Amino acid sequence: AQSVSQHNHHVILSEAASLELGCNYSYGGTVNLFWYVQYPGQHLQLLLKYFSGDPLVKGIKGFEAEFIKSKFSFNLRKPSVQWSDTAEYFCAVNVRSSNTGKLIFGQGTTLQVKP
Amino acid sequence: EAQVTQNPRYLITVTGKKLTVTCSQNMNHEYMSWYRQDPGLGLRQIYYSMNVEVTDKGDVPEGYKVSRKEKRNFPLILESPSPNQTSLYFCASNHDGAISPLHFGNGTRLTVT
Repeated sequence: AQSVSQHNHHVILSEAASLELGCNYSYGGTVNLFWYVQYPGQHLQLLLKYFSGDPLVKGIKGFEAEFIKSKFSFNLRKPSVQWSDTAEYFCAVNVRSSNTGKLIFGQGTTLQVKP
Repeated sequence: EAQVTQNPRYLITVTGKKLTVTCSQNMNHEYMSWYRQDPGLGLRQIYYSMNVEVTDKGDVPEGYKVSRKEKRNFPLILESPSPNQTSLYFCASNHDGAISPLHFGNGTRLTVT
């Protein structure tokens, strides 16, 4: 069965530090990849997505992610985090051929940015 | 404003008392789904619907029912809630179920005692 693994469960950074959150998925076929963010007390919002083309995708608020097909990875990065980036981050994968619409989510990574 | 609306936001109930969590979207989306969010487990899909009268099980459907009689509404029904269904529930929708990003509701925090 397909699965998504986020390696870091809880990350604590100081403001201006660089961020990289790992995401790996297990599926050999074609996938759509997403990162969602959940700010405290709010619903999930899309940060960025990858369907095809340039494997380096840019999202909102200065986030970017790189799809490395050979590593089945889609890591999220930000060069300099801000206190307002404190949130929970979810990587998600959709199997393109499934036509069920099911998104498989990782366990989530809680990011705490200290001012 | 485009949105997915869930009600109620918070619900405390007792074991065995039937409840319904409503979900409505105003974007004319074909696809709707329900997820539950639990610490350390991320979001897991309960049920999804590709269109009116078309529903199917997700990863954790046991103890839940859904219906899709109208395009905009996708209620989640717990016929006999149990404490292990205490969770945060999210309804989501999008156009095609595969490519377009999901729009999430604000969540329903359910506690079953």
